[in-house]
Amino acid sequence: EAGVAQSPRYKIIEKRQSVAFWCNPISGHATLYWYQQILGQGPKLLIQFQNNGVVDDSQLPKDRFSAERLKGVDSTLKIQPAKLEDSAVYLCASSLGQANTEAFFGQGTRLTVV
Amino acid sequence: KNEVEQSPQNLTAQEGEFITINCSYSVGISALHWLQQHPGGGIVSLFMLSSGKKKHGRLIATINIQEKHSSLHITASHPRDSAVYICAVTLTSSNYKLTFGKGTLLTVNP
Repeated sequence: EAGVAQSPRYKIIEKRQSVAFWCNPISGHATLYWYQQILGQGPKLLIQFQNNGVVDDSQLPKDRFSAERLKGVDSTLKIQPAKLEDSAVYLCASSLGQANTEAFFGQGTRLTVV
Repeated sequence: KNEVEQSPQNLTAQEGEFITINCSYSVGISALHWLQQHPGGGIVSLFMLSSGKKKHGRLIATINIQEKHSSLHITASHPRDSAVYICAVTLTSSNYKLTFGKGTLLTVNP
């Protein structure tokens, strides 16, 4: 079974530029998560989708971050404009969206803002 | 206080040693996950537990629901076990959201 696919793997941008990340979850997984992991810390949930609806975006900095999952399958996360403190690994994960089911993670996108 | 606390934060061991990483949580959960993250790599799920004990190769995970505590053990540790080990919980109240600990950086020296 194919895993969670993310692209790009690495991205370097200047502050105030915009960037977009893409995630394709495991087929059939209703729940999709975007996490931000700053170096030395555990992942922090940015947004959670159930199919194409948003379940939790309470920690998403909405003035600069946006995410969509239009057809309930793949998803994009955008940052515009980027700040230095956005440098992190952005992880996408998916799960069946039921109790006691595992979440499967992509390889992540390492963003460096200079 | 974080909902999920891990200890130790950093752990260095010699090859062959028995390793224990601990995780405590303060909220109601439906499941607890142990995850492994290699430097520069993505996250791999090792175990998902809701009770008791699970074993996979040299890895053993246990959970005590009453004490809100879980341990991850590695027997006969090897340098390739060097990674960050992350404890995460699925909260009963949260639409299956995962809440993560800060991770334990394990270094196994040959």
